Amino acid sequence: DAKTTQPTSMDCAEGRAANLPCNHSTISGNEYVYWYRQIHSQGPQYIIHGLKNNETNEMASLIITEDRKSSTLILPHATLRDTAVYYCIVRVNQAGTALIFGKGTTLSVSS
Amino acid sequence: DTEVTQTPKHLVMGMTNKKSLKCEQHMGHRAMYWYKQKAKKPPELMFVYSYEKLSINESVPSRFSPECPNSSLLNLHLHALQPEDSALYLCASSPGLAPRGTDTQYFGPGTRLTVL
Repeated sequence: DAKTTQPTSMDCAEGRAANLPCNHSTISGNEYVYWYRQIHSQGPQYIIHGLKNNETNEMASLIITEDRKSSTLILPHATLRDTAVYYCIVRVNQAGTALIFGKGTTLSVSS
Repeated sequence: DTEVTQTPKHLVMGMTNKKSLKCEQHMGHRAMYWYKQKAKKPPELMFVYSYEKLSINESVPSRFSPECPNSSLLNLHLHALQPEDSALYLCASSPGLAPRGTDTQYFGPGTRLTVL
C-alpha cells in the first residue's frame, strides 16, 4: 500500500502558484520523498525529490517539514500544461526498488 | 538526456497471438522496470531487472515473459493474453548506483495494449 495521503483533486488559476500537499507520517529515516506527474495517457514524469532539506529545480520546489511527516510541492507559476495527476511517493534509496504509486492528486489548471 | 523509448506506441492483439513490447535507454542505467497501468488507476510494478538479472517478479502470470538481452534493452513477451490484460505498459530505468547517488526512475511514454 502507498505510504502517502494526498487530496484527490485541486484547482489552480493559470499564473498562480500551485501548492500540492502530501502526508507521509510513517516515513522512515532512510526514505526519500519523490514527486512525479502524469499527463493524460503519457508516462509518469519525474519532478523532484528530497530527503530532509527543501529542494528546488527548474520545474518545482519541494518543502519538507522538519519532522518529515509531510511535504508540499510548489509549482510557482502554473500553466495549462501543468494539468496532470501528481504522485507523492516515499521510497528508500536502494537501487532497483519499486515506486509504489498511490492515487495522487489531480491538478486542474484553468485560465 | 533522460529518454526512455518504447515501441510500439499502440498494440492490438488477439488472445492467441504472440507479441513483444520493446524498451530502450542509452543513459547507462543498470536497473530497468516494467509497470502496468489500468485505466484510471496508478501504475503497478511487474518486474525489475538489475544489472541484466531479474531481481523482482511481482507474481506476474507466466503469459508475461520479460527479457533483458543487454543493459540498454528490455523486452516484454506476451502470449495467450486475456482481455483484462489490456492496459498501458510502462518501462522505466534508473542508474542503479544507490546508495552513493539517488536512484531516480525515468519512464518511457508507454505502450497502449488492447487484447481482443
